Amino acid sequence: AQKVTQAQTEISVVEKEDVTLDCVYETRDTTYYLFWYKQPPSGELVFLIRRNSFDEQNEISGRYSWNFQKSTSSFNFTITASQVVDSAVYFCALSEAPGGAQKLVFGQGTRLTINP
Amino acid sequence: DTGVSQDPRHKITKRGQNVTFRCDPISEHNRLYWYRQTLGQGPEFLTYFQNEAQLEKSRLLSDRFSAERPKGSFSTLEIQRTEQGDSAMYLCASSFGGASQYFGPGTRLTVL
Repeated sequence: AQKVTQAQTEISVVEKEDVTLDCVYETRDTTYYLFWYKQPPSGELVFLIRRNSFDEQNEISGRYSWNFQKSTSSFNFTITASQVVDSAVYFCALSEAPGGAQKLVFGQGTRLTINP
Repeated sequence: DTGVSQDPRHKITKRGQNVTFRCDPISEHNRLYWYRQTLGQGPEFLTYFQNEAQLEKSRLLSDRFSAERPKGSFSTLEIQRTEQGDSAMYLCASSFGGASQYFGPGTRLTVL
């Protein structure tokens, strides 16, 4: 069975600090996808990134970066120079490869608070 | 606005009543998913459609729950004889094939 663990329940930092959100996953599939979503106080899940299990290249998008390490089954998310608007709950998720439902299996989320 | 929309955004009902939620996916998306999220937890998969066919249902979806997507466009999720344990946020997402899923704003259900 697939499982996603986000061990950090809550993180609080001061604005402009860098922060890393951890994600560890379990799957028996050899091909799968990993995701990060942001859920601000409004409640809507906002898609941030999708990575294919074959692509271990790190990704950078502005202040956001993602580190995928298949050897440790981790897909960590770093926000550089954090801003108050980054405050939200962040979810890591896993889905199976194409051909099936590709339903998302979510972690429990990490509540990130950026203090001014 | 061409995103996923859900209606209503909030629903308060008394135990034992039936409720129905609607989801309108992004227009070219052929897959539609329903998830449920309780407080402090990540969303959990309930069911999904490819076009009008319901292809998978979670065991979380008891026989009081039914979902339809009659014309392969919008979908409805009905809960019969609601229970307090049904109180949650019900999220809809859509995708084109197996591409990334985009979520709607959700319907928050409170059962008194």
